[in-house]
Amino acid sequence: AQSVTQLGSHVSVSEGALVLLRCNYSSSVPPYLFWYVQYPNQGLQLLLKYTSAATLVKGINGFEAEFKKSETSFHLTKPSAHMSDAAEYFCAVSAGGTSYGKLTFGQGTILTVHP
Amino acid sequence: DTGVSQNPRHKITKRGQNVTFRCDPISEHNRLYWYRQTLGQGPEFLTYFQNEAQLEKSRLLSDRFSAERPKGSFSTLEIQRTEQGDSAMYLCASRPDRASNTEAFFGQGTRLTVV
Repeated sequence: AQSVTQLGSHVSVSEGALVLLRCNYSSSVPPYLFWYVQYPNQGLQLLLKYTSAATLVKGINGFEAEFKKSETSFHLTKPSAHMSDAAEYFCAVSAGGTSYGKLTFGQGTILTVHP
Repeated sequence: DTGVSQNPRHKITKRGQNVTFRCDPISEHNRLYWYRQTLGQGPEFLTYFQNEAQLEKSRLLSDRFSAERPKGSFSTLEIQRTEQGDSAMYLCASRPDRASNTEAFFGQGTRLTVV
């Protein structure tokens, strides 16, 4: 079984500041990990994914995440926030094989960016 | 547009009525997933199909819910005798079956409001 915990339901940063969104996972098998972004009344867009290759994963829009097995974490970062980054972010975990596409999501973190 | 398409985008219905949603996946994507997202929560897995076969159903999918994918292409999700607790965003996602690390692509969702 898999589970995801996102620490902090709301994160607020100033434009140009570092963005750090926290995600810890639990998985009984080697996990596949994802970060999705959701804008109001929209579906989910993939930012990046970890699939057991490089532990530092780079995604779209300048985001990246590092898989740390010892800490069971997959935190999302961006060096400099932009106003357009304001959205809700979801961390998700999946088992591999035939269950690869079945995702277990965290509760989400709403990112607010102040000018 | 070759993305996942969901219709309708919004549905308002009276309690006790039946509703049906449609999802058209990306062409040639064998796997199709339904998720439900309530306000302030991450999406929760409901069910998934490989071609026309429904391979897994969540305990969240009560007897009032039924999903079909009759020809292995589009899928429908029907809710009978709707209740106010059914109000949520219903998300559909698809992915190819053969690739082991291709993520699921999400549609924009159908927002259901039961009054």
